[in-house]
Amino acid sequence: DAGITQSPRYKITETGRQVTLMCHQTWSHSYMFWYRQDLGHGLRLIYYSAAADITDKGEVPDGYVVSRSKTENFPLTLESATRSQTSVYFCASSERYGGRDGYTFGSGTRLTVV
Amino acid sequence: EDKVVQSPLSLVVHEGDTVTLNCSYEVTNFRSLLWYKQEKKAPTFLFMLTSSGIEKKSGRLSSILDKKELFSILNITATQTGDSAVYLCAHLNDYKLSFGAGTTVTVRA
Repeated sequence: DAGITQSPRYKITETGRQVTLMCHQTWSHSYMFWYRQDLGHGLRLIYYSAAADITDKGEVPDGYVVSRSKTENFPLTLESATRSQTSVYFCASSERYGGRDGYTFGSGTRLTVV
Repeated sequence: EDKVVQSPLSLVVHEGDTVTLNCSYEVTNFRSLLWYKQEKKAPTFLFMLTSSGIEKKSGRLSSILDKKELFSILNITATQTGDSAVYLCAHLNDYKLSFGAGTTVTVRA
């Protein structure tokens, strides 16, 4: 199916474990983003990518790693999960600079770190 | 750092009421302001505003930007229970969206 898909939808992990959240889009959008959403904070940008092999930090990058070897995939890795990383994570993509068509978001991954 | 502030944080209305949501911003390099609707899952795009004073409309929803006073409003007329959601305002600068905390709208039948 065309669109942007995230997996898993739900994940429970233990403190200190490494966990990877997957994001896949079928539009060949150049730009991809990872946001986290927490009560009272809205959506905050973690990392973004303008193209394959080009990534940059957002507002809250500490504790996260990203890669983008292929245009369609943008995985987010928590190297050593902490309870403060319990959140809902959204991946988004955009066709072009400035996102004239609006950013399209995936359905989100709800991550709980225990 | 870009700052986007939405008000009110939440409100409850009855079906048929009109709702006005506010979004003010303090940014270093304004490009566009976006509105999203979020219903327990992914935010969905509503409007993008770039020029001051030009109203964007989609059905019962409309939005306008005031670049002089640095704010935008989102209006919902003749509200329905399906309008219950979190409405997010975001500033677009370069590649990045900076979001406000959102306004939770609850529409009661």
